[in-house]
Amino acid sequence: QSVLTQPPSVSGTPGQRVTISCSGSRSNIESNTVNWYQHLPGTAPKLLIYSHNQRPSGVPDRFSGSKSGTSASLVISGLQSEDEGDYYCAAWDDSLWGVFGGGTKLTVL
Amino acid sequence: HLQLQESGPGLVKPSEALSLTCTVSGGSISNSSYCWGWIRLPPGKGLEWIATIYYSGSTYYNPSLRSRVTMSVDTSKNQFSLKLTSVTAADTAVYYCAIGHYDVLTGDDAFHIWGQGTMVTVSS
Repeated sequence: QSVLTQPPSVSGTPGQRVTISCSGSRSNIESNTVNWYQHLPGTAPKLLIYSHNQRPSGVPDRFSGSKSGTSASLVISGLQSEDEGDYYCAAWDDSLWGVFGGGTKLTVL
Repeated sequence: HLQLQESGPGLVKPSEALSLTCTVSGGSISNSSYCWGWIRLPPGKGLEWIATIYYSGSTYYNPSLRSRVTMSVDTSKNQFSLKLTSVTAADTAVYYCAIGHYDVLTGDDAFHIWGQGTMVTVSS
């Protein structure tokens, strides 16, 4: 069981907007920055969002992140077929360890 | 730009030790804003953080693995390593090395660069 809670799966059709939630606690999400990673089949995980809402160079602005209290969200707008894969939230915990969410499988219908 | 490559045995026997090395090319890993980490992905499960070393030398381990894991960095060789002792089948996973950018203002240490991963199977 992961420290951060994500829905196991979400789905959408091309062009739609989907939201992936990430629920934590005061010791991780509320106190520290949240990062989001994309893991597509057969590839290495890729950083999508850091510091709650910052996109690394090269990440399309279709991807956006936010944080409020002990929860965070990743929004994917203009869904594309190549977005299909697994998405993970991550944060530092004040108990001095890194924590990941259980991952959310995004299916593009 | 930096590229990371994990190396190590693909198969390890139960109760033995697993040693992995991450070799970095395309630039030096010796940067005061860097941190270095290991993450694994067990079959059918999600990502699990294993360990992180910061440029300052501070090292942190997953509490569930702390008694068995050691991470080290050798900037002269542009490498960092992971050793996991007394492995069991539960340690079977794809192991990734990664480099993060530590922001002293925000405390953010996201892993910006990842290796392709190496599959490690624990079996007799």
